[in-house]
Amino acid sequence: IAGITQAPTSQILAAGRRMTLRCTQDMRHNAMYWYRQDLGLGLRLIHYSNTAGTTGKGEVPDGYSVSRANTDDFPLTLASAVPSQTSVYFCASSEGDRNTEGYTFGSGTRLTVV
Amino acid sequence: GQNIDQPTEMTATEGAIVQINCTYQTSGFNGLFWYQQHAGEAPTFLSYNVLDGLEEKGRFSSFLSRSKGYSYLLLKELQMKDSASYLCAAMDSNYQLIWGAGTKLIIKP
Repeated sequence: IAGITQAPTSQILAAGRRMTLRCTQDMRHNAMYWYRQDLGLGLRLIHYSNTAGTTGKGEVPDGYSVSRANTDDFPLTLASAVPSQTSVYFCASSEGDRNTEGYTFGSGTRLTVV
Repeated sequence: GQNIDQPTEMTATEGAIVQINCTYQTSGFNGLFWYQQHAGEAPTFLSYNVLDGLEEKGRFSSFLSRSKGYSYLLLKELQMKDSASYLCAAMDSNYQLIWGAGTKLIIKP
């Protein structure tokens, strides 16, 4: 089934540990995004990539890094996790950065930092 | 600054009609999106408006007024499965989406 796969589904992580959230899409979409979703707040963009080999910072990039070595994969790394990074993380993709047909979202990773 | 406002929660009755409003302020404007998100699931795309007016898609319709910075999502013949959060998002001049916090819609029998 075409779409976006995120892993893990959920994780409890000790503060200070490093973690990579995985995101893979099979739709050959050019643009990919990482969002976090917290109760009472809208989705907030962490990092994005308009095409393979390029990345950009979103609204809340501090403490996170990304890479886009190829079209399909867009991993998000927390270098040293802190409790404020407890959230639900969604990866999304679109055909282009100006896509008007909406984003496709992965099923999310629920991360708890303790 | 950029901002999206929508009600936090609404309640409606099965079979009825409900209108979810959204106002936006963005630096430039390249369209307005509505997404549906069931609890514990990913958002799914419902509609996109860039021109003024009403777009109808089955039981769901979306309206945009660019001069007023206003949109609404209209849901007709409500079903229990429509219980979800509805997210409004505006695309700014840089083609970035600015998201509202979502409106939780509760459907009662």
